[in-house]
Amino acid sequence: GQNIDQPTEMTATEGAIVQINCTYQTSGFNGLFWYQQHAGEAPTFLSYNVLDGLEEKGRFSSFLSRSKGYSYLLLKELQMKDSASYLCAVRPRAGFQKLVFGTGTRLLVSP
Amino acid sequence: KAGVTQTPRYLIKTRGQQVTLSCSPISGHRSVSWYQQTPGQGLQFLFEYFSETQRNKGNFPGRFSGRQFSNSRSEMNVSTLELGDSALYLCASRQGNSGANVLTFGAGSRLTVL
Repeated sequence: GQNIDQPTEMTATEGAIVQINCTYQTSGFNGLFWYQQHAGEAPTFLSYNVLDGLEEKGRFSSFLSRSKGYSYLLLKELQMKDSASYLCAVRPRAGFQKLVFGTGTRLLVSP
Repeated sequence: KAGVTQTPRYLIKTRGQQVTLSCSPISGHRSVSWYQQTPGQGLQFLFEYFSETQRNKGNFPGRFSGRQFSNSRSEMNVSTLELGDSALYLCASRQGNSGANVLTFGAGSRLTVL
């Protein structure tokens, strides 16, 4: 089976740090993606992890532990524009486009 | 460089009708996939195409079909529409068919079935 879990909604304050967790159980693993989606817009790529560890990209970082089936997205110095849904997705098989998505975490950043 | 273009952006249909959605990938991208997004289910994979061949298909009924043309443009069709088909249909393209190439999504076609 394929299952990806992430919290439905989170709230945080401008300037703070927030961590969005994602756990997965999939029939295979060939990479984990994080996408950001603002309401009414296309999902946009944030990060990709295929090996264990932390990938840092500006204010955003993503961590992966394959043995635990766990990832998190860390957002630092939150800005109002970071209010969006954050989608965790796993690619079960190499060479294919199929991604298995979680239902997304809606992040609300308040002043 | 133009992004992934989907048309139409919004459409309203009634039960029993059929609909065709179009997707133009980023220039040079040969791989196209389609996803259905609903509030309760999130994004669910429909199918993917590479060089006009369907390489993978999700768990959707046969009413959902697609194709890809020689210029990499893709269409998906849903026949005998049901209320539950109301969703945002997203198309994504990728340059190759292997590796860590990232999917780039279009803004989607929002289908409402009445």
